[in-house]
Amino acid sequence: EIVMTQSPATLSVSPGERATLSCRASQSVSSNLAWYQQKPGQAPRLLIYGASTRATGIPARFSGSGSGTEFTLTISSLQSEDFAVYYCQQYNNWPPATFGQGTKLEIK
Amino acid sequence: QVQLVESGGGLVKPGGSLRLSCAASGFTFSDYYMSWIRQAPGKGLEWVSYISSSGSTIYYADSVKGRFTISRDNAKNSLYLQMNSLRAEDTAVYYCARDSKGYSSGFCDYWGQGTLVTVSS
Repeated sequence: EIVMTQSPATLSVSPGERATLSCRASQSVSSNLAWYQQKPGQAPRLLIYGASTRATGIPARFSGSGSGTEFTLTISSLQSEDFAVYYCQQYNNWPPATFGQGTKLEIK
Repeated sequence: QVQLVESGGGLVKPGGSLRLSCAASGFTFSDYYMSWIRQAPGKGLEWVSYISSSGSTIYYADSVKGRFTISRDNAKNSLYLQMNSLRAEDTAVYYCARDSKGYSSGFCDYWGQGTLVTVSS
């Protein structure tokens, strides 16, 4: 099973600034990586798939990059609604699909 | 618009059973692979099971294999998860989620709001 590790666990950023979240796979997952956003009491929302393709309706301030074992989610200018927990998920060697433990993005 | 509505969660004793349902609308349910994904309180996400559009292909996480059964009724636009021999560690919010059309991509573009299953004596 591929282990996904996200860093940092918590990231404090001011509104309007850039946020960079990292995700590392224990072995190559090619570009088969997705990012989700989850707000308290809500279901996860797909942001990015294929490492860099935005899902339908996702604002352009969200971008994904990377391949192999190292991936990044960048939010270019943080809005108040962006403060949430973010999960990466690999689907290269699946089933099972595996998720990272999450990065909590909080207001600084 | 795509809607997934789970039901059937609740409090059950260890060793007990529960059947979750997911009612789908806003898309051609029979075209899509579907998954169940769970989240223990305050924890991360864990993929549980998926089923192909016809129901002919099914996979389970090792943690639930032999205890959980996924199924679907395309005529009723519904997905199910029969959970037997429940354990405390099965306590979680269970999400029904849509995979891809005609194949399994491995990621899910729509999720229901979830139903809470609590296993406790």
